[in-house]
Amino acid sequence: GAGVSQTPSNKVTEKGKYVELRCDPISGHTALYWYRQSLGQGPEFLIYFQGTGAADDSGLPNDRFFAVRPEGSVSTLKIQRTERGDSAVYLCASSPDAGNTGELFFGEGSRLTVL
Amino acid sequence: AQKVTQAQTEISVVEKEDVTLDCVYETRDTTYYLFWYKQPPSGELVFLIRRNSFDEQNEISGRYSWNFQKSTSSFNFTITASQVVDSAVYFCALYPMNRDDKIIFGKGTRLHILP
Repeated sequence: GAGVSQTPSNKVTEKGKYVELRCDPISGHTALYWYRQSLGQGPEFLIYFQGTGAADDSGLPNDRFFAVRPEGSVSTLKIQRTERGDSAVYLCASSPDAGNTGELFFGEGSRLTVL
Repeated sequence: AQKVTQAQTEISVVEKEDVTLDCVYETRDTTYYLFWYKQPPSGELVFLIRRNSFDEQNEISGRYSWNFQKSTSSFNFTITASQVVDSAVYFCALYPMNRDDKIIFGKGTRLHILP
């Protein structure tokens, strides 16, 4: 499809395991964002890419979280040594150009459950 | 500080009633955008409207209308003649263009339209 695609849609893992979440943005969009949404909360900013580089990673909660976008398209959010508090929906969004108007196109999210 | 406050956590109205969702924001920037997004049960955030800080003209789109008042730092959203399909979580968001390249979301208002 033409929208932002996220996989997996659901991921259940055990505490301490490593997890990767993938985001395929809209073709041609240079800006890519990761947000995290906990139950009953609004999306919380994690990291933003402009092209291949992370322009702002100030929202990553700690060094267990890391994200890459090696070719300026698909991005992977990586979580090491998962903890129960990491359980949330991880939302990816893309935008034609982060410097324009800020309108984001969101995927349906990856629901992560850490047991 | 950059902040968005949606004081109404949850609202229930009977179908065909009008309902207003409140949004108050804080920013030190003079140039910013405000947004409303809708999150239906499917989970995907859907863009509804974007407003530039220099344009206080109210906007109407079908049954939706938005009231932007810089004097009170508010950007309220009204649904006229509500329908069951309007049931969703609605998020107000702020994009402070001079400071960050990330959109800051409020915690959302869950709207129930009762048949």
